[in-house]
Amino acid sequence: DTGVSQNPRHKITKRGQNVTFRCDPISEHNRLYWYRQTLGQGPEFLTYFQNEAQLEKSRLLSDRFSAERPKGSFSTLEIQRTEQGDSAMYLCASSFRTSVNEQFFGPGTRLTVL
Amino acid sequence: GDSVTQMEGPVTLSEEACLTINCTYTATGYPSLFWYVQYPGEGLQLLLKATKADDKGSNKGFEATYRKETTSFHLEKGSVQVSDSAVYFCALSGRGGSNYKLTFGKGTLLTVNP
Repeated sequence: DTGVSQNPRHKITKRGQNVTFRCDPISEHNRLYWYRQTLGQGPEFLTYFQNEAQLEKSRLLSDRFSAERPKGSFSTLEIQRTEQGDSAMYLCASSFRTSVNEQFFGPGTRLTVL
Repeated sequence: GDSVTQMEGPVTLSEEACLTINCTYTATGYPSLFWYVQYPGEGLQLLLKATKADDKGSNKGFEATYRKETTSFHLEKGSVQVSDSAVYFCALSGRGGSNYKLTFGKGTLLTVNP
């Protein structure tokens, strides 16, 4: 097992464009999470899935943000009509559903909106 | 809601010095507590964890003890190395209904000089 992977690692886009990021979790993990990290801050929770069900999405930053996990394996995070304030590191993590909730993180996708 | 407060950085130490990074938390019930580390250019890695009061997590010479009475989880190492230079994040995962997201502190940048 190679851990959580994310693609692309870097994305530069112009304001107003749509972007999509992919996350491949650790294969046996049934939970998948998305976080956003801005410079000098800790990661901020956005949304999570248990299998293919999105169980919490109220923390998505606006209706321009959406996430899917269609078959309970990989997930995508889409940002529509990007704004400069969307520039950040987007992190994916996965875990088993347990009371401890130990999460394993991917390397992140760094988004720069020009 | 849940929150984590950790010592403001940056922290600069000489090799072999003692390290303490303070972390206190606010949460309902008894959360699980974590320290994550982010080395330059890399993703978040779990350093250690503790799941109940008086538990001591340890890894790579680092230790932290879950103190319920003071709601603290301070990170300590007796002798730091240059390779310990990184950003350290304290985090918690709530119990019950909030057992899905990690709540992070802002991070503490540690620089160890030879």
